[in-house]
Formats: sequence, C-alpha cells, structure tokens
Amino acid sequence: AQSVTQPDIHITVSEGASLELRCNYSYGATPYLFWYVQSPGQGLQLLLKYFSGDTLVQGIKGFEAEFKRSQSSFNLRKPSVHWSDAAEYFCAVGAPTAGNNRKLIWGLGTSLAVNP
Amino acid sequence: KAGVTQTPRYLIKTRGQQVTLSCSPISGHRSVSWYQQTPGQGLQFLFEYFSETQRNKGNFPGRFSGRQFSNSRSEMNVSTLELGDSALYLCASTLRSQENTEAFFGQGTRLTVV
Repeated sequence: AQSVTQPDIHITVSEGASLELRCNYSYGATPYLFWYVQSPGQGLQLLLKYFSGDTLVQGIKGFEAEFKRSQSSFNLRKPSVHWSDAAEYFCAVGAPTAGNNRKLIWGLGTSLAVNP
Repeated sequence: KAGVTQTPRYLIKTRGQQVTLSCSPISGHRSVSWYQQTPGQGLQFLFEYFSETQRNKGNFPGRFSGRQFSNSRSEMNVSTLELGDSALYLCASTLRSQENTEAFFGQGTRLTVV
C-alpha cells in the first residue's frame, strides 16, 4: 500500500539557519509529489509540486524540494529560515486507487518552530 | 477570485447528534475533497466528489456521508456523533481531479463533540 513518512515530528531551527524537512514515500511508480504548509488556524497552502522532469523543484516563499527516485524521497529545503516560516508542513503523494482514480496520501506532518 | 469557503468555522455538538458542514469551492472548480485532521492521525481522506459523483472514498464508517450539488458546492454530514469525531474538517477544491492539480484548501470547520 502507498504511504508517506515524515520522520521528524518537530523541528526547531534558528532564524537564518538552513532547513531540510524529510519526506519518504512508498509507491511502485513515479508518483505526483506535493509539499503543503499550514499556519495555525488556517487551511493548507501548496508550496511546490513535482510531476516529472527536473528533479529539483522551486516553490513559493523560497522553498525548494528534490525528488530522489533511488531513495524514494522528496525533501523540502530552504537556505535561510524566517520567523514567519513557523508552521506545520505536510508532504503528500498522488497515487492511484481502484477504478483508475487517484487520491492524495498524506504524511503526518512536521511542526517547525523558529527561534529568534 | 474568492477562495474555498467553509461554514461554519466552529461548531459544538453533543454526542449522538448529527452535523452538516458546507464547502463552497473556487468558482470553476469541479472537484471537492473532504479531510479530517486530528493531532494524532494527521490528515485523513474522507471522500472526493466530482461533478456530483463520489469518485473516491476513505476508510470512514457510514456515519460520514457527503454530497455535491450542481453548482459544485458540497456538504458533509456526520450522524450519531461520537467524541472521537472532534477534529478540524478541511475541504479542498481542485479544477479537475485531485491528484495532479493544485488543491486549494478552506480554513476548515472545527467540530467539538461533547
């Protein structure tokens, strides 16, 4: 069965430091991959997505992610974190279901805290 | 253009009651998906509707049901509420199907069952 793992439940970084959030997936073929961010009391906002092509994907707010097929990973990175980046981050995979439909499978999220 | 609108934002219900949540997708979007979000379980997929038809369904009991109207607005109903149904219910709309297009989320309905 398809699954998404975000190994880090909580991460704390200092403002200005670099950030990497990990995401591993279990899926037989190349999936569609997404990273979303959720600020407190808000819905989710798409940061970036990967469908095919260049494995390094640029997103909004200075985030990027790299798809590594050999490691089944899609880690999110940012070179310099801002205090406003404190939020919950979710990795998701678009995978097929029965009847040629697809659905999004979500990781449990990583909570990011930023120290001033 | 207006985003995804979910109503109400907050709701308190008593165990055993039923509840109906509403979601208005972005204009022109035909797919609406519902999720339950809890601290311990993360985002759990409930169901997806596309052109008034349920396309996908998650692993929730039959007490959870939904429907979509011709204007793409969707409602979700939970009958015989249990304490464990307390959660943030999120609605997401996409232009077509959910897996390869950006999903736009509403702010959610926070349901508390007492």
